[in-house]
Amino acid sequence: RKEVEQDPGPFNVPEGATVAFNCTYSNSASQSFFWYRQDCRKEPKLLMSVYSSGNEDGRFTAQLNRASQYISLLIRDSKLSDSATYLCVVIHTGGSYIPTFGRGTSLIVHP
Amino acid sequence: DAGVTQSPTHLIKTRGQQVTLRCSPKSGHDTVSWYQQALGQGPQFIFQYYEEEERQRGNFPDRFSGHQFPNYSSELNVNALLLGDSALYLCASSTLAGAPNNEQFFGPGTRLTVL
Repeated sequence: RKEVEQDPGPFNVPEGATVAFNCTYSNSASQSFFWYRQDCRKEPKLLMSVYSSGNEDGRFTAQLNRASQYISLLIRDSKLSDSATYLCVVIHTGGSYIPTFGRGTSLIVHP
Repeated sequence: DAGVTQSPTHLIKTRGQQVTLRCSPKSGHDTVSWYQQALGQGPQFIFQYYEEEERQRGNFPDRFSGHQFPNYSSELNVNALLLGDSALYLCASSTLAGAPNNEQFFGPGTRLTVL
C-alpha cells in the first residue's frame, strides 16, 4: 500500500459544481497535511494547510479525519480557473519530516 | 522579490552521463529540498539541505548527491544517468524555523531527458 493515495481522476465537472477529493495516508503518526495545486507543466503551489479542526478559505474547505486516516478538499462553485492537478502532502514524525506527495487528482472544469 | 529560480530549464543527456542542476532559493529562505517528478506522478523527495549539510534523504540511490553553498543556493548532481532518471526536477525552498508546518515554495523545475 502506498503511503499517500489519491484517485488520479480526471474529475470532469461543469462550472458552478461542487467537487470533493479525498486523500488517504497509511502512517498513523502523520503530523502535517497540505493541499498543493499544480497547473499543467508548472510547479506546485500551496493551496492550503489542513488543520485538525478543518479550515476554509473562500470556496475551498479542507478537512482531516485522523480516525480513518484521510484528508479531503471540497471546492464549491467551481470556476474554469480551478482546472489543475491537486496534490495532497503528508508529513509524519519519527525523526524526520520528509514530505510525501500523492500522485495528484486532476480536475477539469468545463463551461 | 525573486522567487525560487532553477537552471537550466531543459536538459538532454545520454545514458551514463552526469548532470548538475542548480537552484537559488527565495530570499530569506535557508533550506532547500529537491524532488523528482515523473510524468503523471507526484513529486518524490530526494533530499534536503540546511546549513550546507544534507539534513534528510528520501529513498534515492547514492548516484544522487547534492551541495548547498553559503549563500543557500544548491546543486543536485546525478551520476551514471539511467533512462528512468528522465523527469522534472523541482527545487523547493523554505525556512527551517516552523518546520514541518511551513510552506515550501517551488521553482519552475528542470526537465531532464535521458536518451
